[in-house]
Amino acid sequence: DIQMTQSPSSLSASVGDRVTITCQASQDISNYLNWYQQKPGKAPKLLIYDASNLETGVPSRFSGSGSGTDFTFTISSLQPEDIATYYCQQYDNRITFGQGTRLEIK
Amino acid sequence: EVQLVESGGGLVKPGGSLRLSCAASGFTFSNAWMSWVRQAPGKGLEWVGRIKSKTDGGTTDYAAPVKGRFTISRDDSKNTLYLQMNSLKTEDTAVYYCTTMDRGGSYPPRGLFDYWGQGTLVTVSS
Repeated sequence: DIQMTQSPSSLSASVGDRVTITCQASQDISNYLNWYQQKPGKAPKLLIYDASNLETGVPSRFSGSGSGTDFTFTISSLQPEDIATYYCQQYDNRITFGQGTRLEIK
Repeated sequence: EVQLVESGGGLVKPGGSLRLSCAASGFTFSNAWMSWVRQAPGKGLEWVGRIKSKTDGGTTDYAAPVKGRFTISRDDSKNTLYLQMNSLKTEDTAVYYCTTMDRGGSYPPRGLFDYWGQGTLVTVSS
């Protein structure tokens, strides 16, 4: 199976900060990479699909980039409601998720 | 509005069986590819398996940890997805989510999960 390695596993940032999370695949997955947000006690929510496409209704402060093995998820200006855990997920070969990044407000 | 409502979770002993259901509404269920994703307490997300629509063959695929023990099926007349879990292990303890796969209209559906249920908790313990 393809392994997905996210970093950092947790981070603390201030409101208004630019936040970046990375995800590395153990082999080339082209752009078959999605990002999800999960708030405590809730189901995950799809934010970005195919590495860089914003899901309908998702605020434009969220963005994604990358292809091959290295991917980046960015929040351009952190808002209080963005506190959550974020997961990357590949679907090039079967389906696997990264281990998650817990985002907290400083 | 798309709605997915899971049920059937609970406490079961190791080696036991349980069947989860997911009632779907707000979209044409028979055309949808569906998946189950689980999350152990305090842990990350893990894909369990997938079933295609009957028009696409209705075939299933499973993650290695559950293959041979879990079975996904669907009843399109009832708009319901099922997960039959046999030979349960303590490591199967998790919240189980029912999801749609790429209801955005791409064909074949991409491996993304665009709608999720609220989840149902399965606890495997003696």
